[in-house]
Amino acid sequence: GQQLNQSPQSMFIQEGEDVSMNCTSSSIFNTWLWYKQDPGEGPVLLIALYKAGELTSNGRLTAQFGTTRKDSFLNISASIPSDVGIYFCAGPRGKLIFGQGTELSVKP
Amino acid sequence: NAGVTQTPKFQVLKTGQSMTLQCAQDMNHEYMSWYRQDPGMGLRLIHYSVGAGITDQGEVPNGYNVSRSTTEDFPLRLLSAAPSQTSVYFCASSPDRWNYGYTFGSGTRLTVV
Repeated sequence: GQQLNQSPQSMFIQEGEDVSMNCTSSSIFNTWLWYKQDPGEGPVLLIALYKAGELTSNGRLTAQFGTTRKDSFLNISASIPSDVGIYFCAGPRGKLIFGQGTELSVKP
Repeated sequence: NAGVTQTPKFQVLKTGQSMTLQCAQDMNHEYMSWYRQDPGMGLRLIHYSVGAGITDQGEVPNGYNVSRSTTEDFPLRLLSAAPSQTSVYFCASSPDRWNYGYTFGSGTRLTVV
């Protein structure tokens, strides 16, 4: 079936560092979404992107809708310990499909 | 508002047992869905519903049944539990099928031994 491929699968960073992750697909999406899952909780929507090339920020988070419409990027600036969790990209194919996730660990 | 409520939070089953995972939302959302989360595989759609009385299969429906008799409730039934169904299960809802800002429950961790 349709797959969204996220990289990296996991990241171990120092508090204060910037973080970049991406999500790619073999086919075009008209919407890209980024969710975050805190440990022991369900995912929560961070950012939604609706237009190729769109750049949208939510606090220290910035996401971009790739110009090819086959990828999306999420950046976190000046990471803090509460950024720990799993970050999922998602796109609609009638129903919402999710990437495998990028697990972020932040060392104080 | 409680949002999406899932019960139980943890469950251990023996192979062959059946059980129902409960999901309720109080936001009057039309669209509800069930996902399972397994390490390295992200979230995979099991079943979904676009409104009361309407359900359909997702990517991995085998071994699971659903029904949607009311707008609020969307229970997931395991007919005969198997170790391969050991997973974390999430229920999600949204105002309608074209609104992808899903609200997720906090999950049910199921272990089948």
